[in-house]
Amino acid sequence: SQQGEEDPQALSIQEGENATMNCSYKTSINNLQWYRQNSGRGLVHLILIRSNEREKHSGRLRVTLDTSKKSSSLLITASRAADTASYFCATVDTGNQFYFGTGTSLTVIP
Amino acid sequence: GAGVSQSPSNKVTEKGKDVELRCDPISGHTALYWYRQSLGQGLEFLIYFQGNSAPDKSGLPSDRFSAERTGGSVSTLTIQRTQQEDSAVYLCASSLTTSFSTGELFFGEGSRLTVL
Repeated sequence: SQQGEEDPQALSIQEGENATMNCSYKTSINNLQWYRQNSGRGLVHLILIRSNEREKHSGRLRVTLDTSKKSSSLLITASRAADTASYFCATVDTGNQFYFGTGTSLTVIP
Repeated sequence: GAGVSQSPSNKVTEKGKDVELRCDPISGHTALYWYRQSLGQGLEFLIYFQGNSAPDKSGLPSDRFSAERTGGSVSTLTIQRTQQEDSAVYLCASSLTTSFSTGELFFGEGSRLTVL
């Protein structure tokens, strides 16, 4: 399967702590994207990192990409209760096909 | 509209019936994707439309599933002779993705299908 895998499957932290989620994939990519999904809703795009980039920041989000290890990480700093959601990585191949991982369920406890 | 619109939001049907799910993408978006998400699971790719090119149907799970995109805009996903294992949330997404660059996906809220 070309689907990525997120790790951990579930993560529970206290408000104010940092949350780190990892994504591993198997094939060559054009870029990698992270999405967030609130319960019962559609996915919302968070950040895109290209295959020639190693790190990217957006607000409280920091994404890293290691193409040699075929892995990426998403760091959410100073977490808030509103960050509670499922987070998915999506690898995008040169044919613009998106492959989503299984997701990390994040719970931020107030 | 401002976003991707999907209808119906909820559909309950009996086993063996046909269902149609509709997706109205963001105006001007050339790419349209359908995914299926079972409870607590990741997204399973179904089909991808890009402009006027032949769609990538490689994710359709059986010949009971088909999809069309008319006029490069609205798309309909049809499931014939529904089975209980078809129960899931069907998500549609559109994008400005072209053959030369990849954009982000904009998702609809999904159509929740329950087959009794």
